[in-house]
Formats: sequence, structure tokens, C-alpha cells
Amino acid sequence: NAGVMQNPRHLVRRRGQEARLRCSPMKGHSHVYWYRQLPEEGLKFMVYLQKENIIDESGMPKERFSAEFPKEGPSILRIQQVVRGDSAAYFCASSPPSGDIYEQYFGPGTRLTVT
Amino acid sequence: QKEVEQNSGPLSVPEGAIASLNCTYSDRGSQSFFWYRQYSGKSPELIMSIYSNGDKEDGRFTAQLNKASQYVSLLIRDSQPSDSATYLCAVNFDGGYQKVTFGTGTKLQVIP
Repeated sequence: NAGVMQNPRHLVRRRGQEARLRCSPMKGHSHVYWYRQLPEEGLKFMVYLQKENIIDESGMPKERFSAEFPKEGPSILRIQQVVRGDSAAYFCASSPPSGDIYEQYFGPGTRLTVT
Repeated sequence: QKEVEQNSGPLSVPEGAIASLNCTYSDRGSQSFFWYRQYSGKSPELIMSIYSNGDKEDGRFTAQLNKASQYVSLLIRDSQPSDSATYLCAVNFDGGYQKVTFGTGTKLQVIP
């Protein structure tokens, strides 16, 4: 299965703890995007990364949130000191490295619940 | 601000009818357009991409693009209850830069 993989699928954290969400892109893809979706709301762009580079983080909250895509290993979205408002579905998508193809393929998502 | 607009619905159609979903976008220079389907509690699934003016057909789905009028639509023929989902329109505003902007989606209900 060469699809986008995310783990964990469900994550429960208490207020103040840290959440780490992982995303492995499709084989051959080098662009990763993170989105957040609240219940009954649309997808909100958070950050766009290539290997070892953050390309666009205009959708990331200024505090507590960070993302990386290291040379080796999955992309990580890190939320420090979680609050109840962080409860949402977090989706990762990936796209091919170059050319005119901008199709993004989504992983199954991580459902974060903050208690 | 570059935007993608969709009617949130719900759009209700009877089984077997044609469902027509519409999307408008703000930047006349946009080049790439996508339709995603999202079932409740699931992740978005790419169902159509369209890059040129006109129609593109794939099975029961037809995407229509009119760059002069800045709209893109998705037609679903012979709608089935299994087509009931939220349909997201996405636009790449900056050719050469891979970020896309999503609309808020139209909820489709196919009534048996």
C-alpha cells in the first residue's frame, strides 16, 4: 500500500500535554501539507513542507504549533500544551515532487481529543 | 485574498437524477482545479482534476471548467445514495507553487 499514512489514528491528550502527529507521504512524493478540520467545518490549511524545508506556514497558529519534515522519517506536527480548542481532525496530504501535477492525496487523519 | 466559494447546501437530489455542484474562484489566472469527496468522519478523496476549459468525464462524473467566468462545476449522473457526501472544490492559485485552496464544501444528499 503506497498511500499516505498517518499515526496515530486517534489521540487523547489532557490539557497541557504535548501531541505529536506523524505523516508518511505516498511513495515518490516530496511535498507534505497539514490541514485541520473542526466538526462540520471546512479544511483549514496549516503548513506546507518539503524535505527539510517549511515552504508556507501561514495557517499555523503562532504559538504552540510546529511542523517538520526531516530528511529521513515522517513529517511531524507537534502541538505543545494542548487546549480543548485543539480537538479536531488533523489531515496530512502529499503531492508529487515537481511538474504541473498539484494533486494532493490525503491520509486517513488523526482525531485529536483534548480532555 | 484568493478565495474559493461553494454553496454549503445541503443539495438534495432523488436517486437517479443529475447532481450539479458549483464552485467559483477569485483569481482569473488559476490553472489547476480539483474536486474531492469527503464522507462523514473520513478523509477527502480526490475524484477529479481539470486543467483546461471544457468538460472532462470520468465514469458518472463530469467536471466542467470555464476560466473566463471563473467557475468549475461537477456533475454526477445517475446519482446513488452512496454519493451522499460533502464535495470540496480546490484551486491552485499560483502555478509553480503547489499549495491549493479549498472551498468549504457542498453537502450532497441523494434521496432513495
